[in-house]
Amino acid sequence: EVQLVESGGGLVQPGGSLRLSCAASGFTFSSYWMSWVRQAPGKGLEWVANIKKDGSEKYYVDSVKGRFTISRDNAKNSLYLQMNSLRAEDTAVYYCAREEGWFDPWGQGTLVTVSS
Amino acid sequence: QLVLTQSPSASASLGASVKLTCTLSSGHSSYAIAWHQQQPEKGPRYLMKLNSDGSHSKGDGIPDRFSGSSSGAERYLSISSLQSEDEADYFCQTWGTGIRVFGGGTKLTVL
Repeated sequence: EVQLVESGGGLVQPGGSLRLSCAASGFTFSSYWMSWVRQAPGKGLEWVANIKKDGSEKYYVDSVKGRFTISRDNAKNSLYLQMNSLRAEDTAVYYCAREEGWFDPWGQGTLVTVSS
Repeated sequence: QLVLTQSPSASASLGASVKLTCTLSSGHSSYAIAWHQQQPEKGPRYLMKLNSDGSHSKGDGIPDRFSGSSSGAERYLSISSLQSEDEADYFCQTWGTGIRVFGGGTKLTVL
């Protein structure tokens, strides 16, 4: 069974940092692009970043450029999102997703709350 | 600019059919999209990829009640024999080099 499990969410103060992880299983992780997508409370979905199979290409939504870094460890079948200089507007559930342009499957999500 | 537009809400009766619409921005009518379902308090689930010619490929376990079609810049998700569990938010999504875009979502209410 293909499975993605996120972890690392929590409460952090504005300006703080957090590192999210996504553990993948049930498929050849190194053969797929991977993405992070977030959903603010009561809002729609927003793509955050993605990374090529070997990590050689990375793309970000403008609002997180220079603050967030996506990475992966194919030996550990894991995807990461390092989030620095966090703002209140970064509060959201963060999902990891396997992608080929479209997202399938999705993880269950991890909640990040940025508040003092 | 690559943009997807969806109506915020739709409703239909139990057992009836409904057709949701996603519209691609000008100049992007050849793009494929994907439909995703998000039931209350759950994570999103991939439903299908839908091409500009109307051909589509569904995700694992997606019932035959769900189908897709296309016309010009419009992409449609049709759901027949509506069930209570179909009450959910439906998002369309597309992609280009270095960008992934979501529509605002349609909240479907099953009456």
